[in-house]
Amino acid sequence: GAGVSQTPSNKVTEKGKYVELRCDPISGHTALYWYRQSLGQGPEFLIYFQGTGAADDSGLPNDRFFAVRPEGSVSTLKIQRTERGDSAVYLCASRYPQGYEQYFGPGTRLTVT
Amino acid sequence: QQQVKQSPQSLIVQKGGISIINCAYENTAFDYFPWYQQFPGKGPALLIAIRPDVSEKKEGRFTISFNKSAKQFSLHIMDSQPGDSATYFCASNRAGNNRKLIWGLGTSLAVNP
Repeated sequence: GAGVSQTPSNKVTEKGKYVELRCDPISGHTALYWYRQSLGQGPEFLIYFQGTGAADDSGLPNDRFFAVRPEGSVSTLKIQRTERGDSAVYLCASRYPQGYEQYFGPGTRLTVT
Repeated sequence: QQQVKQSPQSLIVQKGGISIINCAYENTAFDYFPWYQQFPGKGPALLIAIRPDVSEKKEGRFTISFNKSAKQFSLHIMDSQPGDSATYFCASNRAGNNRKLIWGLGTSLAVNP
């Protein structure tokens, strides 16, 4: 079946603008994660959804970051008042509820100018 | 505080040789240890994973060795090929923490033809 998809693949925005990044997980994967990967680094956890609710948002860096998953499938990561330091690749992963394996999408490369 | 320490940072191997990447973890509650392979511009792809009830797992040319007492695990790539040239990440997680992955910093592997 289809893997995790993310759109857009690239996003260039100006400092101070609002952006939305979308993740479509593997069908049946109720667990969904967002990670952020800076150049030359490993991914860093941002937020975890189990179904529709954000079960763990401890990795969100500040209140400019917010994510939703209203129907328990597609998730949107929202960043307000973007800053140059937000530039990174944003990765989404999903997991079958009883499984261990997390499967990643291709990521969205965000560049804030 | 880096909970998963990965070495070496970079590695150059001749075609046909063995590539070895090491990781050490701190949290004894970790119970799942995956390795991911990442090509430039792509998301991490799950390569192989192990749980602490076994000391070794082999899938094709890829083997994980796990040493619970030393809190270390390693990835061995046998008969390394130029197509294996990528960045490799180790990670760990545990039950009760939403299975969010804690990552090493990555190893850039180059396999010379």
